[in-house]
Amino acid sequence: GENVEQHPSTLSVQEGDSAVIKCTYSDSASNYFPWYKQELGKRPQLIIDIRSNVGEKKDQRIAVTLNKTAKHFSLHITETQPEDSAVYFCAAVVSGGYNKLIFGAGTRLAVHP
Amino acid sequence: DVKVTQSSRYLVKRTGEKVFLECVQDMDHENMFWYRQDPGLGLRLIYFSYDVKMKEKGDIPEGYSVSREKKERFSLILESASTNQTSMYLCASSTGGAIINIQYFGAGTRLSVL
Repeated sequence: GENVEQHPSTLSVQEGDSAVIKCTYSDSASNYFPWYKQELGKRPQLIIDIRSNVGEKKDQRIAVTLNKTAKHFSLHITETQPEDSAVYFCAAVVSGGYNKLIFGAGTRLAVHP
Repeated sequence: DVKVTQSSRYLVKRTGEKVFLECVQDMDHENMFWYRQDPGLGLRLIYFSYDVKMKEKGDIPEGYSVSREKKERFSLILESASTNQTSMYLCASSTGGAIINIQYFGAGTRLSVL
């Protein structure tokens, strides 16, 4: 079946550094890739998404890149701040309708002051 | 502002009990989803529904069933709870149609089965 692999599982950075999280997907027909942030004890919330007709999307300090040929996409956070500490999930839509998502296992990001 | 509300934040049940987890959304969304969240495994889809009374199995449906009698409400049912169903359960909803849209999540129900 469809699969999304996410790396690393944990990431520790100093405040101000950049953080990169990488995901690969198996369904070559997948065309939508959201990233969710889940702070401790809270619900997952969408922070950025990318559709397959673009290779990069940026929103202030966060950006996502997509390489359809290699079937991988990455989240980039620049100038990290302590409030960026959370678990981040990548996902890929399952082709065939209904807006089904397959999620990666998550990356726990810790930003140290 | 989209609101997805799960009826309980914490539940403690005994093995063999029938358990109902309720989810309500207020945005007239067609699609609703139930996920299970376990450390190191991400979010795994249990069941989803794309319309009233319609349901489809996700990746891990065994031991669960669902009910969608009204558009705004999607219930997850554990027919006979077991200890391996101890987990965080997340509900989500999204609009339907051909264009893929954002899934909005509820705050989650942490279920402990003793």
